[in-house]
Amino acid sequence: QKEVEQNSGPLSVPEGAIASLNCTYSDRGSQSFFWYRQYSGKSPELIMSIYSNGDKEDGRFTAQLNKASQYVSLLIRDSQPSDSATYLCAVTGGNQFYFGTGTSLTVIP
Amino acid sequence: GAGVSQSPSNKVTEKGKDVELRCDPISGHTALYWYRQSLGQGLEFLIYFQGNSAPDKSGLPSDRFSAERTGGSVSTLTIQRTQQEDSAVYLCASSPRIGGGTPTYTDTQYFGPGTRLTVL
Repeated sequence: QKEVEQNSGPLSVPEGAIASLNCTYSDRGSQSFFWYRQYSGKSPELIMSIYSNGDKEDGRFTAQLNKASQYVSLLIRDSQPSDSATYLCAVTGGNQFYFGTGTSLTVIP
Repeated sequence: GAGVSQSPSNKVTEKGKDVELRCDPISGHTALYWYRQSLGQGLEFLIYFQGNSAPDKSGLPSDRFSAERTGGSVSTLTIQRTQQEDSAVYLCASSPRIGGGTPTYTDTQYFGPGTRLTVL
């Protein structure tokens, strides 16, 4: 059973702060890693994808991958109230994407 | 352009009835996934279609669940003899993958709005 673990939160940060979201996975063979954002009542939308160790930056978002530790994280700089959502970590294995249960983030104005 | 569409948006049914959920992927996308999301839970993989290859049905929870994809485009997820534990949001996603094999970082999944199924 491939597992993806996330802290369910809720995680609260003040506006302008850095939000740090973490994810661990069990399958060492996983090759691709994704972060999705899901607003309440909406479907997930892709924020970042990463496949090699290190950092990948896109605007206010930075994904970090450490395959040795089986750990992937998402940093959100200068957090905005509009970033308040549930963040899903996804990991590939075979033909499938395995999703974590998500971390609920609230950015307080 | 048009995104992934799903119908109906909401479905209320009685226990024991059959339901059909429809997904229209983005035109030209060869890969199509069905997921189930229960309240407060992550996405549970159900089934994966890639082009004309045999689908990966390994996520279907029981033989009451089946899915087909006609002409490599529209997909229908059928749940027979629905049970209360089938109540969830059913999400469809499509991806412009070419060929099969393990998904890669370039495979962006575009999700539809989902169908909320309630079994009374």
